[in-house]
Order: sequence, then C-alpha cells, then structure tokens
Amino acid sequence: NAGVTQTPKFQVLKTGQSMTLQCAQDMNHEYMSWYRQDPGMGLRLIHYSVGAGITDQGEVPNGYNVSRSTTEDFPLRLLSAAPSQTSVYFCASSSTGDYGYTFGSGTRLTVV
Amino acid sequence: GNSVTQMEGPVTLSEEAFLTINCTYTATGYPSLFWYVQYPGEGLQLLLKATKADDKGSNKGFEATYRKETTSFHLEKGSVQVSDSAVYFCAGARNDYKLSFGAGTTVTVRA
Repeated sequence: NAGVTQTPKFQVLKTGQSMTLQCAQDMNHEYMSWYRQDPGMGLRLIHYSVGAGITDQGEVPNGYNVSRSTTEDFPLRLLSAAPSQTSVYFCASSSTGDYGYTFGSGTRLTVV
Repeated sequence: GNSVTQMEGPVTLSEEAFLTINCTYTATGYPSLFWYVQYPGEGLQLLLKATKADDKGSNKGFEATYRKETTSFHLEKGSVQVSDSAVYFCAGARNDYKLSFGAGTTVTVRA
C-alpha cells in the first residue's frame, strides 16, 4: 500500500517557468488537499477537493491551479513561478468520516 | 474564521523528562482535533486525534484530551526519548475537512 505519492521530491525552477507537482493516492480517499509549509507559519491550505470533478480554494490559492479528474490524482500547477513560491509542498488525502489526513513525503521547490 | 494557537518553541528537554505542548482552537462549533508529528526530512504523520469533546487520543506514549470548555487539546508525554525529537503540529477540522494548523513546535530531546 503506497499511500500518498508525491513527485518530484526536489525541484528548482527559474522565475516565470511553469510546472506541475504530482500527487496520487491509492486508498480511494474522497478528500485531497495541497498545503505549503514555510518556516514559522505551519502549513497553509492552497487548494482542496472533496471528490473527482470538485475543487475549491484554500487560504493561499493565488498562483496555483488544481484539477481532479480521477479519485486517485490531484496535481498542483504553478502557472508562472515566483521566488515567493519557494516552499515545501505537501499533498494529503482523507476518507469521509475519518478526518485524519495521510500526507505525502513532500516536494521541496526552489524558485530562483 | 477558525484558528489554532500552539505553544511556540523551540523546546529542549532531557531524556525521561515530561513534555507538554499547549494547543487551543477557536471556531464556531466543535471541530475534530489532531496532533501531527514531522520527523526530520519527512512528511507529517498523524500522531493522535479526538473527534468529539471529552475524547482522549493516545499513541506512542503521547496523550491529549479534548477539553470542551476551553477547546484545548494539549499534548503530553510522561517520559520523552531522543527519538521523540521532531516538530509537532496541532490541527483542527470541522465537517468541511479543511485542516487548520498551528505554527508547529520544535522539540529536541537530549540524551
């Protein structure tokens, strides 16, 4: 059972480049979320999804897009990378009625 | 809006010492409350949870009780080990499943 798989683990982008952070889960969880972790700020919610075809914004959605075409996958797209998006990104999933999220191992992104 | 207030660190302890990390949650209604742990270089792992008032969550010697009157969920462990060195996050969620996290508390246990 792989749980939540994030790729890549590390990425360096130049300002203005775009890229997609991949997230996949094999637990048939309905809920999936993307968080960013910055020093001293805990984790902040970027976007989340309550099921395939349904997404919504979180606390810090600007500069990011998501889609949920399948239950398993929830990619996060950076449209035009900025240095302020340098962070560690975590994907997480949860099943209805459980509330406790399972987290991926994270993607460390540096924008130069 | 909902918010989680967590005791700031860093916290440095000796092995076998008692650990407490305070956490309170403000929200309309009563959320489910969680403690997550992040070991160096890893993602977050669910440590324990309480889904209703007066519940006690426990795991790996850690305990936290959901105090309804204060919406608090303080984490405690009676005798810490070096392997407990990590960052601990308090979090809360209502029925919208959106977790709100505290800022995290870095705990270092010295041998």
